[in-house]
Amino acid sequence: AQSVTQLDSQVPVFEEAPVELRCNYSSSVSVYLFWYVQYPNQGLQLLLKYLSGSTLVKGINGFEAEFNKSQTSFHLRKPSVHISDTAEYFCAVSDTSNYQLIWGAGTKLIIKP
Amino acid sequence: NAGVTQTPKFQVLKTGQSMTLQCAQDMNHEYMSWYRQDPGMGLRLIHYSVGAGITDQGEVPNGYNVSRSTTEDFPLRLLSAAPSQTSVYFCASSSNRMGTQYFGPGTRLTVL
Repeated sequence: AQSVTQLDSQVPVFEEAPVELRCNYSSSVSVYLFWYVQYPNQGLQLLLKYLSGSTLVKGINGFEAEFNKSQTSFHLRKPSVHISDTAEYFCAVSDTSNYQLIWGAGTKLIIKP
Repeated sequence: NAGVTQTPKFQVLKTGQSMTLQCAQDMNHEYMSWYRQDPGMGLRLIHYSVGAGITDQGEVPNGYNVSRSTTEDFPLRLLSAAPSQTSVYFCASSSNRMGTQYFGPGTRLTVL
């Protein structure tokens, strides 16, 4: 069975500092990988996704993620965060043969002024 | 386009009551899903549909029913509410299996 682990429940960083949010998955088959963001009291929206091809994926709002098959990771990065990035970030995985997404528990990004 | 809409936004039920959470999308998406979100647990799939007339169970289907009579609508029914069903419920839709999922604003349900 697939599973997704987001290693940090909260990540506090200073404004304009870089950030990495970690995501590891377990799967015995090929996967699609996603990062979604949830701003306070809102639904989720897609940041970026990996389906195939280049392992470095660029998304909205300056975020990017790198797929590492050998380490089964899909870490999310941003070189310089802003107050507006305060949100909860979710990593999700699906295998390429079915529709069901398996979600991580989420990481709250806390931006310190 | 309104995207994905959900009603109601908030609901309080007593144990044993039944209710239907409404979800509609105007993007002509084939795939629709219902999730529940609980603190520290991410999202868990309750039921999903790959097209009108086709539904299937997700990870946590017990206590919930769904139907998909039209492409646009995907209601979630709680048959006999229990306190364990206190959660935030999200509906989502996408155009295909690997497509972006578009989420509604959520329904916050409390069962007393």
